[in-house]
Amino acid sequence: KAGVTQTPRYLIKTRGQQVTLSCSPISGHRSVSWYQQTPGQGLQFLFEYFSETQRNKGNFPGRFSGRQFSNSRSEMNVSTLELGDSALYLCASSLGLSGMVEQYFGPGTRLTVT
Amino acid sequence: DQQVKQNSPSLSVQEGRISILNCDYTNSMFDYFLWYKKYPAEGPTFLISISSIKDKNEDGRFTVFLNKSAKHLSLHIVPSQPGDSAVYFCAASAREYGNKLVFGAGTILRVKS
Repeated sequence: KAGVTQTPRYLIKTRGQQVTLSCSPISGHRSVSWYQQTPGQGLQFLFEYFSETQRNKGNFPGRFSGRQFSNSRSEMNVSTLELGDSALYLCASSLGLSGMVEQYFGPGTRLTVT
Repeated sequence: DQQVKQNSPSLSVQEGRISILNCDYTNSMFDYFLWYKKYPAEGPTFLISISSIKDKNEDGRFTVFLNKSAKHLSLHIVPSQPGDSAVYFCAASAREYGNKLVFGAGTILRVKS
């Protein structure tokens, strides 16, 4: 079974631009969560989608948004990029929504904002 | 507010010996705990998990122990191998929060051959 895939793997953007990252979960997994990893803040939860609905949201500004499609693929968007948005963005997929399930991560998208 | 803490930034162990990684949490609502292994510029790899109704879970060389009263869990790796060298993250979730994982800061494990 293929793992979680994320595209692109690397991205360089300029302040003020916007960016869209994509995540394809493991086949059959309906929950997709997004995380941001930075040296200063560690791994921080962004949001979670299940059956095309946002179920949970972390403490990030409204510039960070996401969506999920009917095939469970998910995208996250960051508008008006700031230097501090430079990070590794990770998505994780899981079968259910119970909070007591294993979650599997993709390789991440390394975003650099200049 | 660090709800999940890994107080040891790094740990160095000799090949073949036991590695013990520790994690403490403060939120009593957490009822599921996971350990992940991570290499730089890669996504975390799931290792093992434990539900709050158990106090031990074992999978091959990896064993996780949970002490609910102390709000403490640990990951034991026996025997340690050089390929185990990586950053290990402890994470916690609660049914009320859906699949949101709260991560510790990580512990760098170095296994010397």
